[in-house]
Amino acid sequence: GAVVSQHPSRVICKSGTSVKIECRSLDFQATTMFWYRQFPKKSLMLMATSNEGSKATYEQGVEKDKFLINHASLTLSTLTVTSAHPEDSSFYICSAARVGGRGQPQHFGDGTRLSIL
Amino acid sequence: AQSVTQPDIHITVSEGASLELRCNYSYGATPYLFWYVQSPGQGLQLLLKYFSGDTLVQGIKGFEAEFKRSQSSFNLRKPSVHWSDAAEYFCAVEKTSYDKVIFGPGTSLSVIP
Repeated sequence: GAVVSQHPSRVICKSGTSVKIECRSLDFQATTMFWYRQFPKKSLMLMATSNEGSKATYEQGVEKDKFLINHASLTLSTLTVTSAHPEDSSFYICSAARVGGRGQPQHFGDGTRLSIL
Repeated sequence: AQSVTQPDIHITVSEGASLELRCNYSYGATPYLFWYVQSPGQGLQLLLKYFSGDTLVQGIKGFEAEFKRSQSSFNLRKPSVHWSDAAEYFCAVEKTSYDKVIFGPGTSLSVIP
C-alpha cells in the first residue's frame, strides 16, 4: 500500500539548533501534504498545509518564521524548526494526499519525536 | 467551524468485554470520517473510514463503526477487546478530499487482563 516516510524518527539537539524533518511519499505523488504537532497525551493539531510549488498555508497561531515548510516536489515536503527551543519539543507528524486520490484517506508518516535540550 | 468531540477521555474495559468509543462531529454536510489508533510513542494507524454508502463500516483488528447522520455520530465498536487494543483512539473528519484532517481529542483505552 501507499507509504509515507518521515525522517528522522527521533532527534535530540541543543537549544538554538535548526532541525529539518522530511516527509516523503514513496509510491505516489502528493500535491498536498499536512504537518501536525502532537503534545504529550494530546491530540494532533494541524500546523500547516503544504502545497507543491506554492507557499504553505499556516494555521492560526503557528509562527511561519519558526516553522519553515518547503514542498519542492510532488514527493517531498520538509519542515524546518528554526532556532529550536525546549518548548518546540513535540511529536511532529506529516500526512500526504495522493494526486487523483479523491475519496481516499491521507497517508500518515510515523512521526518525528523532537527533543530540545 | 468543523469540530470533533470524543466525550470519553479515558475508558477501562476488561479483556473479552465489548467496547464502544463515541465520536460526534459538527459539520453541515457529511464529511469523510475516520478512526485512527496510536500506541504509545508510535504513529497513527488507520482502523477504518467512511466516505459514503453502507453506514456500518468494517475495519481492521475486528473493529467496526456506524455512521448515524441524524446524530452526527461515528461510534467505534469491538465485540471482544484484547489486551493489545490498549492505546489512544482518535476520531477524525475530513471535509473533502485533499482537505485537512481534524482530529478529536482522543480516548485512551486501558484493558484489564
